[in-house]
Amino acid sequence: DTGVSQDPRHKITKRGQNVTFRCDPISEHNRLYWYRQTLGQGPEFLTYFQNEAQLEKSRLLSDRFSAERPKGSFSTLEIQRTEQGDSAMYLCASTLGLSYEQYFGPGTRLTVT
Amino acid sequence: DAKTTQPTSMDCAEGRAANLPCNHSTISGNEYVYWYRQIHSQGPQYIIHGLKNNETNEMASLIITEDRKSSTLILPHATLRDTAVYYCIVRVWDNAGNMLTFGGGTRLMVKP
Repeated sequence: DTGVSQDPRHKITKRGQNVTFRCDPISEHNRLYWYRQTLGQGPEFLTYFQNEAQLEKSRLLSDRFSAERPKGSFSTLEIQRTEQGDSAMYLCASTLGLSYEQYFGPGTRLTVT
Repeated sequence: DAKTTQPTSMDCAEGRAANLPCNHSTISGNEYVYWYRQIHSQGPQYIIHGLKNNETNEMASLIITEDRKSSTLILPHATLRDTAVYYCIVRVWDNAGNMLTFGGGTRLMVKP
């Protein structure tokens, strides 16, 4: 068990550019979640996958955001035409079935200049 | 999901017990109480959860009042590494998404 990994850990981009983040969940975890956390606030839910199916999306996930989980393993979160308001920590979590515990990765910190 | 109320911050002396309260007066009968913590620059970490009974694991104890309207997370012997933001979350656990709704949490500072 190597834990949930996220790449990159830090990303600085200019406004208007596209960025893509990757999350590798714990092996065999079928549920995967993306959260966003701004400074001083708790994480906010963005979207959730069960295997390869994206089952729920938050209203926070504007049409500039897209997430995928091909083959039900790793996941990517893409933000198009980034805005300064997108600056945040993007957290990924995974869990197996109905387990009570979500395992979080270290996050990707995005700074939009 | 029921709303929770936690103090913004608390201090605790190293080696002493840290008692972190959480109010959830609108909790429903099928909602669980979960605690996560987030150490600086890391992702949140699960600590413990409970429904009605008090629970204990290697990290902490969870005390839930009989009317379930409040709970207390107890770290029996706080260390400097327990300095973190602690989140109390209340929600149903079912076959739906089970996504977590974090509030502002309590920032616990353990001091030497």
